[in-house]
Amino acid sequence: SQKIEQNSEALNIQEGKTATLTCNYTNYSPAYLQWYRQDPGRGPVFLLLIRENEKEKRKERLKVTFDTTLKQSLFHITASQPADSATYLCAPHRNGGSQGNLIFGKGTKLSVKP
Amino acid sequence: NAGVTQTPKFRVLKTGQSMTLLCAQDMNHEYMYWYRQDPGMGLRLIHYSVGEGTTAKGEVPDGYNVSRLKKQNFLLGLESAAPSQTSVYFCASSRSGSPLGGTEAFFGQGTRLTVV
Repeated sequence: SQKIEQNSEALNIQEGKTATLTCNYTNYSPAYLQWYRQDPGRGPVFLLLIRENEKEKRKERLKVTFDTTLKQSLFHITASQPADSATYLCAPHRNGGSQGNLIFGKGTKLSVKP
Repeated sequence: NAGVTQTPKFRVLKTGQSMTLLCAQDMNHEYMYWYRQDPGMGLRLIHYSVGEGTTAKGEVPDGYNVSRLKKQNFLLGLESAAPSQTSVYFCASSRSGSPLGGTEAFFGQGTRLTVV
């Protein structure tokens, strides 16, 4: 069956360091993958989308990579700040059937300590 | 710009009662989604719709029904609520599901439902 794994439930880092979050998927080949941020008590907010033919995407301090051979996406936050503390969710596009099948990983809770 | 609005924000139900959660979007999006979020389980897709008049099952559809009679509204119904349906429910919408663009999903603020 198709699976999405974000292999760290929680990640604690020091302010100024680079945070790296991992999203692995099995048994399918997504055409694209999205990353979202969720703060406590709020709905997720879209951050970045990367397509299968793109190796890397950047937006300010954020960088996403997509390795279709490893079936993995890495999400980096450089020069991290306490305000980056949140849960980050990945959503590889689940192909087959309707394109509306938007499924998320369980998320990684990032804590950035001052 | 309202975006995605969920009604109500909080609700307490007794076991066996029924209720409808309303999701409204003002962005003319084709796709709409209902999720539930539970501690340790992440966001799980209940049902979704790829256009007015269409609905489809997601990961955890049992015990829920949906309707999309108008493009801007997506209703989630619980016919006979159970304590296992205690959760936070999120609605979302997106312009499309195509890798060509428009897949960014916009979420509502959530509905906290408790079934006692």
